[in-house]
Amino acid sequence: NAGVMQNPRHLVRRRGQEARLRCSPMKGHSHVYWYRQLPEEGLKFMVYLQKENIIDESGMPKERFSAEFPKEGPSILRIQQVVRGDSAAYFCASSQHWGADTEAFFGQGTRLTVV
Amino acid sequence: QQPVQSPQAVILREGEDAVINCSSSKALYSVHWYRQKHGEAPVFLMILLKGGEQKGHEKISASFNEKKQQSSLYLTASQLSYSGTYFCGTEWGDDKIIFGKGTRLHILP
Repeated sequence: NAGVMQNPRHLVRRRGQEARLRCSPMKGHSHVYWYRQLPEEGLKFMVYLQKENIIDESGMPKERFSAEFPKEGPSILRIQQVVRGDSAAYFCASSQHWGADTEAFFGQGTRLTVV
Repeated sequence: QQPVQSPQAVILREGEDAVINCSSSKALYSVHWYRQKHGEAPVFLMILLKGGEQKGHEKISASFNEKKQQSSLYLTASQLSYSGTYFCGTEWGDDKIIFGKGTRLHILP
């Protein structure tokens, strides 16, 4: 049973380009979380999705950022017109269902560098 | 509304004990503990649900004090492999986990 798969592991973009980060949850998991982590800092919540639904996007910047989790295929975090400040590690986590007692499993992350 | 972790960093010698605290400004439904090594994904350690329970995982255990809105992670007889950054994640009934800034633990041989 493969774990949470994120790709690419490393992504370099020039300012103004678009970045697409992919996350395939663990088999049987229908809930995905995206977090951003700056060097030496904590995991900052961005968005929580269920298949075809955005449950909570309160941590996502209002502009340039969007996320989706289609019925088929991976969850995608899209950053349009990237700026230097978007450079960070982006982690996704998946869980089986809602609930406080449900553990979430993290992927290896995508390290985005904007040059 | 991020939980507050203390201390920010700890340096221990192998075999020593450590306590990491996690405090919330509002009532908690659950606390999730993770450990992250440099350049790697956070790894799940344990979940504690409201009710003041305590859990153990080999020499790593945790408590959850609902009244004080805090949780503590206990590492006893620390091993070199325990080095890393420990994050507590709090959940307030809305199914999203908000993490603290982390506690960096460095174990010296």
